[in-house]
Amino acid sequence: DAGVIQSPRHEVTEMGQEVTLRCKPISGHDYLFWYRQTMMRGLELLIYFNNNVPIDDSGMPEDRFSAKMPNASFSTLKIQPSEPRDSAVYFCASSFQAGGGNEQFFGPGTRLTVL
Amino acid sequence: GENVEQHPSTLSVQEGDSAVIKCTYSDSASNYFPWYKQELGKGPQLIIDIRSNVGEKKDQRIAVTLNKTAKHFSLHITETQPEDSAVYFCAAGKGTYKYIFGTGTRLKVLA
Repeated sequence: DAGVIQSPRHEVTEMGQEVTLRCKPISGHDYLFWYRQTMMRGLELLIYFNNNVPIDDSGMPEDRFSAKMPNASFSTLKIQPSEPRDSAVYFCASSFQAGGGNEQFFGPGTRLTVL
Repeated sequence: GENVEQHPSTLSVQEGDSAVIKCTYSDSASNYFPWYKQELGKGPQLIIDIRSNVGEKKDQRIAVTLNKTAKHFSLHITETQPEDSAVYFCAAGKGTYKYIFGTGTRLKVLA
């Protein structure tokens, strides 16, 4: 398996622009997580899905952020409009929770820079 | 709110020495404690985990201990090697699949 796939790996955009980050989870996994990592705040959970349904979005910083999972093999995290403080590394992770296993497999991340 | 404190933030050890990283959690209902290793430019990767019904777990050079009463858990790496150099994160979860991560420890193993 190729693992969790994220695209793009790097994104540089200007303030006010829309940004879409993409994630393909590991096949067969039923949980998908979006995290944001910054030096100041560390690794923060933004939202997670179970069987394509959003379960907890309490970590989404504000209405400018939205996430979707239209099917089991694809998810997007959108920021509109983007701001410089959104600059961070965004990770997608997936997990197969049957039987209580909790390991989350992380993708390589998308480094977002908002100028 | 729920919190996980991790210490130290940086740690330098000589190759072959042991390294210990400590975490404290606030939510007594937490029952799952994973440790992740993050290498430069990569996503975190699970290296070991422990559940609340176990006090210690070992996997080759890596071990984790858990003190539920004190709400402490620690990562121990013995016979450190240069490839152990990375950032290590602890986390606490309580069955909701939602982890609270520590702030990370940058481990540097000096050859």
